[in-house]
Amino acid sequence: DQQVKQNSPSLSVQEGRISILNCDYTNSMFDYFLWYKKYPAEGPTFLISISSIKDKNEDGRFTVFLNKSAKHLSLHIVPSQPGDSAVYFCAAWGAGSYQLTFGKGTKLSVIP
Amino acid sequence: ETGVTQTPRHLVMGMTNKKSLKCEQHLGHNAMYWYKQSAKKPLELMFVYSLEERVENNSVPSRFSPECPNSSHLFLHLHTLQPEDSALYLCASSRGLAGESYNEQFFGPGTRLTVL
Repeated sequence: DQQVKQNSPSLSVQEGRISILNCDYTNSMFDYFLWYKKYPAEGPTFLISISSIKDKNEDGRFTVFLNKSAKHLSLHIVPSQPGDSAVYFCAAWGAGSYQLTFGKGTKLSVIP
Repeated sequence: ETGVTQTPRHLVMGMTNKKSLKCEQHLGHNAMYWYKQSAKKPLELMFVYSLEERVENNSVPSRFSPECPNSSHLFLHLHTLQPEDSALYLCASSRGLAGESYNEQFFGPGTRLTVL
């Protein structure tokens, strides 16, 4: 059973608009969440993270929101740029666990 | 460039071959990981090493054998693999193991393995 779910396999957004990528989780023990970005033929690259004690973390064009009661997090990219086109993975970590649990990813295409 | 390198980038092997994947990290990290990414599946953690000691083995078949000779190098020795083992194998490293902000994992580019 998947503990981290990214229900949208793909998303297309116009350049300059906002991209919103969603992620749901089922394990209430998860207390740290990360987003990774992956280009073809490269490994995932860490993008932004959030601890469960926060509900928002912002880094430039990227903002992650966490709704613990709904077990939901989202990544907002604004404004979206063509270079943001990649696969985005949501991942989660539980306290004291070595395991980073990943979602299947969402492929974002930013159209010029 | 994440500071984690993997060789080879592509590997084709027969089921009776023996090969090894190599990972090197230049970040001074203490923990290293092997992940497997199969088509349309999430990344699956295979092995975790902390300070050269294995701390996690997620029920991986014995035809995969990891080796961590020092904190900068990690190997995955492969023997008598099956076609279903064809996948992208990713190495990662982190400063430490706990799920705290300074312990994000940095990934290498991966080795694309095809087993014929």
